[in-house]
Amino acid sequence: DAGITQSPRYKITETGRQVTLMCHQTWSHSYMFWYRQDLGHGLRLIYYSAAADITDKGEVPDGYVVSRSKTENFPLTLESATRSQTSVYFCASSVEMNTEAFFGQGTRLTVV
Amino acid sequence: AQSVTQPDIHITVSEGASLELRCNYSYGATPYLFWYVQSPGQGLQLLLKYFSGDTLVQGIKGFEAEFKRSQSSFNLRKPSVHWSDAAEYFCAVGARGNTPLVFGKGTRLSVIA
Repeated sequence: DAGITQSPRYKITETGRQVTLMCHQTWSHSYMFWYRQDLGHGLRLIYYSAAADITDKGEVPDGYVVSRSKTENFPLTLESATRSQTSVYFCASSVEMNTEAFFGQGTRLTVV
Repeated sequence: AQSVTQPDIHITVSEGASLELRCNYSYGATPYLFWYVQSPGQGLQLLLKYFSGDTLVQGIKGFEAEFKRSQSSFNLRKPSVHWSDAAEYFCAVGARGNTPLVFGKGTRLSVIA
């Protein structure tokens, strides 16, 4: 199906484990983004990517790693999950950096 | 760098009443402005956007927004709210350059009968 998809939709993991959240888009958009959504903080940018093999830090990058070997995929890895990383994570893509962003359905991650 | 403020965390309106959600931005030039809606358990969906030209912008689902440069505002309006409009609304601002959009913290809209 066309669009942007995230997997899994829900994930429970233990403190210290490595977790990877997947994001796939079918539009060949150049730009992709990872946000986390927390009560009282709205959406905060974690990392973004302008093209394959080009990534940059956002507002809250600590504890996260990204890669973009292919234009359509932009996985987000929590190398050693902490309880403070319990959140809803959204992936988005856009044609240009500051034009309309298209969002995935989100991944609800709980770290216990 | 640009910034955006949504002064209202939560608003409750009666079904059929008019709605205005506030958004104020800070940016030195004319920004790109967006309103997104997030229904429970869903991702964000674009309602409308302003890049240039007519300062009154029409969007989907009967929403409109007006860019007021003098007030640095981009308030979202709807003349008659439906129960299905209950959701979280986010304002976002983009700079004319190579920096990502900045989102406000959102306004939660509740609709009562």
